Amino acid sequence: EVQLVESGGDLVQPGGSLKLSCAASGFTFSGSAMHWVRQASGKGLEWVGRIRSEAYSYATVYAASVKGRFTISRDDSKNTAYLQMNSLKTEDTAVYYCTSVDIWGQGTMVTVSS
Amino acid sequence: SYELTQPPSVSVSPGQTARITCSGDALPKKYAYWYQQKSGQAPVLVIYEDSKRPSGIPERFSGSTSGTMATLTISGAQVEDEADYYCFSTDSTAIEVFGGGTKLTVL
Repeated sequence: EVQLVESGGDLVQPGGSLKLSCAASGFTFSGSAMHWVRQASGKGLEWVGRIRSEAYSYATVYAASVKGRFTISRDDSKNTAYLQMNSLKTEDTAVYYCTSVDIWGQGTMVTVSS
Repeated sequence: SYELTQPPSVSVSPGQTARITCSGDALPKKYAYWYQQKSGQAPVLVIYEDSKRPSGIPERFSGSTSGTMATLTISGAQVEDEADYYCFSTDSTAIEVFGGGTKLTVL
């Protein structure tokens, strides 16, 4: 079955850190660019960033709202992508999805609150 | 920063044609993608590379572009098509962005 499964969402205090994981199965993960997208409650989709495949030197790019605080990485041997989030702010509270553009996970909830 | 502009809402009666637009300066050179998101669910890709339809997506969904505007057309909209629709594309610096979303009402 083709699927993406996110994990790692939690409640964290402002200024804290959290690392999300995205496990892929059923498709050629190593050849796929992987994106992270978030959605605050009642709001629209916001693109967070993406990492390309080895063929493109694992190039990363980020939205201005998270650049310098978030880092996307991947381990093709584990078919897993990661989102390291540092210096978290209350406005980072959202459901975080990973996607290969055509395949989406079910999302994981991140709450930043004191 | 780059923006994609969508109307906040579109309303049609069942069986009518719904058209949702997405405006962006880079669209003449960059592909548009369209997602459907129903309440409480993850988004589903309904159109990719401007006008291609993934397998399993009904034929009533189609996409087109003209200049700086991309359009998602649902021919003969059904009640089950009621959802939020988002366009997605890239600017010239590889920054990707979603449109603000359009709530489609079919009633």
